Amino acid sequence: EPEVTQTPSHQVTQMGQEVILRCVPISNHLYFYWYRQILGQKVEFLVSFYNNEISEKSEIFDDQFSVERPDGSNFTLKIRSTKLEDSAMYFCASSAPPTYEQYFGPGTRLTVT
Amino acid sequence: DQQVKQNSPSLSVQEGRISILNCDYTNSMFDYFLWYKKYPAEGPTFLISISSIKDKNEDGRFTVFLNKSAKHLSLHIVPSQPGDSAVYFCAAKAGGGNKLTFGTGTQLKVEL
Repeated sequence: EPEVTQTPSHQVTQMGQEVILRCVPISNHLYFYWYRQILGQKVEFLVSFYNNEISEKSEIFDDQFSVERPDGSNFTLKIRSTKLEDSAMYFCASSAPPTYEQYFGPGTRLTVT
Repeated sequence: DQQVKQNSPSLSVQEGRISILNCDYTNSMFDYFLWYKKYPAEGPTFLISISSIKDKNEDGRFTVFLNKSAKHLSLHIVPSQPGDSAVYFCAAKAGGGNKLTFGTGTQLKVEL
């Protein structure tokens, strides 16, 4: 069964450093997403991406964040200058029309020290 | 921002009995609802969904009921199995976009 994969599973970085989280969505999906879950809190939407551009983003997704689909398979989330409060599980998801179901990867745990 | 609420943080059910997980929402623009199951250290797994034009959708042991007038949906699992023990999230989507708004989750424990 096709699945979304994410690397790395755990990333530790120092405050102020740049991190890139990587995702390989399901191959025939056209919509891609990033969500995050801070420990003990709900899963929160960050951004959606379609046709090589951002289609929707939340207030959390400020100028420190960017997304890219550098090739036909990868989808990345970059955080330019990490802050302590960026520590969270980051989930990538993908979906395909005509249904709205989003399929999630296993997540990357980001720890900012 | 509590547009999707799951008021029960936990639920314990005996194996073989029915599990009922509840979810309330406030945003009348939501038109599609989904339930996800999540095990520790894994991503959310899609379970079942329902469009706002329906009031029930069934898939095997899982049934979702939607009461639009009450802005309430529920997930029924019958019979419950120990492997169903997980956190269950309700999520909703408003028309015109694909952003999912999640509830806080309910930890279901199915006991032998």
